[in-house]
Amino acid sequence: EVQLVQSGAEVKKPGESLRISCKGSGYSFTSYWITWVRQMPGKRLEWMGTIDPRDSYTNYSPSFQGHVTISADKSISSAYLQWSSLKASDTAMYYCARHSGPLVTLPLDYWGQGTLVTVPS
Amino acid sequence: QSALTQPASVSGSPGQSITISCTGTSSDVGRYNLVSWYQQHPGKVPKVMTYEVSKRPSGVSNRFSASKSGNTASLTISGLQAEDEADYYCCSYAGGTIVFGGGTKLTVL
Repeated sequence: EVQLVQSGAEVKKPGESLRISCKGSGYSFTSYWITWVRQMPGKRLEWMGTIDPRDSYTNYSPSFQGHVTISADKSISSAYLQWSSLKASDTAMYYCARHSGPLVTLPLDYWGQGTLVTVPS
Repeated sequence: QSALTQPASVSGSPGQSITISCTGTSSDVGRYNLVSWYQQHPGKVPKVMTYEVSKRPSGVSNRFSASKSGNTASLTISGLQAEDEADYYCCSYAGGTIVFGGGTKLTVL
């Protein structure tokens, strides 16, 4: 069974760093690209960026470039989303999702359960 | 990168059909046959309902159909059921990037 399991909810202070994770199982991790999606409270889905777990090639949305870092460790079938200095506006649910193949043009067929990040102002 | 434009809300009665529009530009929806639609129930994870404009993943009801004309894509749900009440998001490839729509809340009356 294909699964993407994300790390648990986080409450952090402004200026703190954070890394959340997404562990894939039940499939060949390096054969499917992973995308991170943000959903602020009551708001729409937003594409943050996509990574190829084979070689960690990463493509960022211009809206998130420079604000977050996406990485992967294929040895443990995990992808990561990282902030060096959180802001209150980073408060959101973050989803990892798998493309149905090794291309960003393919749909997102499996999603993690989401990680809620709260940064009180 | 601007969001694709969707109506904020649509509604319909059980058994009826509704259509949700998704308007982009010649750089995304109009340029690529790579539009997908996602359903998200409150507090739940999004689920892909259609992809590559009109294809349906296995397990998705054939009551869901999608199409595209020019810069506008559409999702049609026929034979509305109470369980269809959810938020729906369109999504398009845009030349190396991905853009989602603003989302449409479907209410089944």
